[in-house]
Amino acid sequence: GNSVTQMEGPVTLSEEAFLTINCTYTATGYPSLFWYVQYPGEGLQLLLKATKADDKGSNKGFEATYRKETTSFHLEKGSVQVSDSAVYFCALGAQNTGGFKTIFGAGTRLFVKA
Amino acid sequence: DAGVIQSPRHEVTEMGQEVTLRCKPISGHDYLFWYRQTMMRGLELLIYFNNNVPIDDSGMPEDRFSAKMPNASFSTLKIQPSEPRDSAVYFCASSLSSGEETQYFGPGTRLLVL
Repeated sequence: GNSVTQMEGPVTLSEEAFLTINCTYTATGYPSLFWYVQYPGEGLQLLLKATKADDKGSNKGFEATYRKETTSFHLEKGSVQVSDSAVYFCALGAQNTGGFKTIFGAGTRLFVKA
Repeated sequence: DAGVIQSPRHEVTEMGQEVTLRCKPISGHDYLFWYRQTMMRGLELLIYFNNNVPIDDSGMPEDRFSAKMPNASFSTLKIQPSEPRDSAVYFCASSLSSGEETQYFGPGTRLLVL
């Protein structure tokens, strides 16, 4: 079946450091891939997405490239800020019986220190 | 649009009591999802609806949990009787009808069962 595996947290970085959060997936067919972010006390919100191989999603300085050959969708940011402290979820969306279903990874908590 | 609306935002109840959580999805969205989030189990999909019809309820923990969607603008998740292990944050999300679509999350209901 479809699944998503992302690196365990927490990840602790200093401000302006480079961020990578790894995400790999298992899926049949051609899923869409997403990164969602959850700030403290809030619901998840979409950060970026990619719908086909080699697509790059980007938003707020974050980027992720859909790599079909390595079944990966790693999240990167060149210079993190304290305000990026949150939990990041990798997700996979694919058609199954009854419609479109999104599968979320376990989440990776990021702490950014000033 | 106001986004996905959930009520109440916080609920404290005693074991054995009935709890009803409410959700208003974004107008025009055909899919509605109920999730539960805990530290131990992460984000779990409980049930989702397409055009008000339950499609997959395999994530509903047991018969104490039930969900309804009487119309396109309202859904409820009911727990009867509630137990301390039901304490969690419950999220409602909605999305458009076709594939590769983003889910929009509400702010969640934080439930504490004493």
